[in-house]
Amino acid sequence: DGGITQSPKYLFRKEGQNVTLSCEQNLNHDAMYWYRQDPGQGLRLIYYSQIVNDFQKGDIAEGYSVSREKKESFPLTVTSAQKNPTAFYLCASSTGTGKGTNEKLFFGSGTQLSVL
Amino acid sequence: GESVGLHLPTLSVQEGDNSIINCAYSNSASDYFIWYKQESGKGPQFIIDIRSNMDKRQGQRVTVLLNKTVKHLSLQIAATQPGDSAVYFCAENISQAGTALIFGKGTTLSVSS
Repeated sequence: DGGITQSPKYLFRKEGQNVTLSCEQNLNHDAMYWYRQDPGQGLRLIYYSQIVNDFQKGDIAEGYSVSREKKESFPLTVTSAQKNPTAFYLCASSTGTGKGTNEKLFFGSGTQLSVL
Repeated sequence: GESVGLHLPTLSVQEGDNSIINCAYSNSASDYFIWYKQESGKGPQFIIDIRSNMDKRQGQRVTVLLNKTVKHLSLQIAATQPGDSAVYFCAENISQAGTALIFGKGTTLSVSS
């Protein structure tokens, strides 16, 4: 059953703590993305990666970090520098490669991060 | 059916009516546009997309219209059903630019029986 798996579904962070959100895809997609969604708002881009071992900052990258060591995986770390981390985090993937055509994004089911 | 002007955050319709959700996009260089549906607590699901060399595209019960002159995109849903209740997002991008989709703020569609 192909798709994008995000875990955990709910995550709680203590002040000063780093937490990592998992995103795995078995769609053989080259490109992966992280978006943040606040209540009643649209999706804002945090980071994206068009190919393994390469990634670019999005509009709101401060306080976040990512890695892309494997094609299937694109974990997002919310660091202690992110002062307002409470949000719904969405991971997505697409077939787009490098500077090729942009295909539609396939989204995971999201992770709700809350601060204790 | 009910139509709305340029982006309203909410739209309420009766079951069986036609719905029209509007979106104004920002970049005149954008050449790829897409609509997503998001139900509460879930990730967005693809509905329909359109490239700038077209001004209309139809799917099952949905139609997307693109007006590049005024940078306007609309999603029409025929015979709206309660299961269509969700938040609808439009998004834009420039193909070949190696960038990511830029999303609008979304419109909440509520369908009453």
